[in-house]
Amino acid sequence: EAQVTQNPRYLITVTGKKLTVTCSQNMNHEYMSWYRQDPGLGLRQIYYSMNVEVTDKGDVPEGYKVSRKEKRNFPLILESPSPNQTSLYFCASSLSGHNEQFFGPGTRLTVL
Amino acid sequence: KQEVTQIPAALSVPEGENLVLNCSFTDSAIYNLQWFRQDPGKGLTSLLLIQSSQREQTSGRLNASLDKSSGRSTLYIAASQPGDSATYLCALDQTGANNLFFGTGTRLTVIP
Repeated sequence: EAQVTQNPRYLITVTGKKLTVTCSQNMNHEYMSWYRQDPGLGLRQIYYSMNVEVTDKGDVPEGYKVSRKEKRNFPLILESPSPNQTSLYFCASSLSGHNEQFFGPGTRLTVL
Repeated sequence: KQEVTQIPAALSVPEGENLVLNCSFTDSAIYNLQWFRQDPGKGLTSLLLIQSSQREQTSGRLNASLDKSSGRSTLYIAASQPGDSATYLCALDQTGANNLFFGTGTRLTVIP
């Protein structure tokens, strides 16, 4: 089944403890992105990638890192999480900029 | 910076009604526009993608139009059903890099 998977789906952590949210797609898509969704603010893009080793900042990149060493994986790294990073995170992929984006199921992160 | 607005924020209609959801944007220099639906607690599902050069796209009971000059897109849903109840989001890509700007959505409830 063609899909975007994220792990973990739910995570509660404490301020300053480094964490990684994994994202993987099995559709051989070139493009991948990370978004966060917050009430009243909607979905905002954190980082995006157009190919392996090519990443760029989205609207709200502060406090996040990404890497794209393989086409199928695009992990989101929070080196020192803070409570304002409590949010619902989505990973997405698409074949190209012309094509629709497929979203993962989301990761709900709580930073205490 | 691109700003995307969706009004109303919430809408309730009786089953069987035809309805229109609105999306307006401030910068007409867009690459494409995409409509998504989001069910509670779930990820986003792409409904329709309109390229910059297109005026509309249709899929089943859904029709999306794009008028770049006026900064508007509409999503028309024919013969609404309770299963259409969800939040509908529009998103703009300005560069073709899947760097999406999202509206805050319209929460639709179709009453049986």
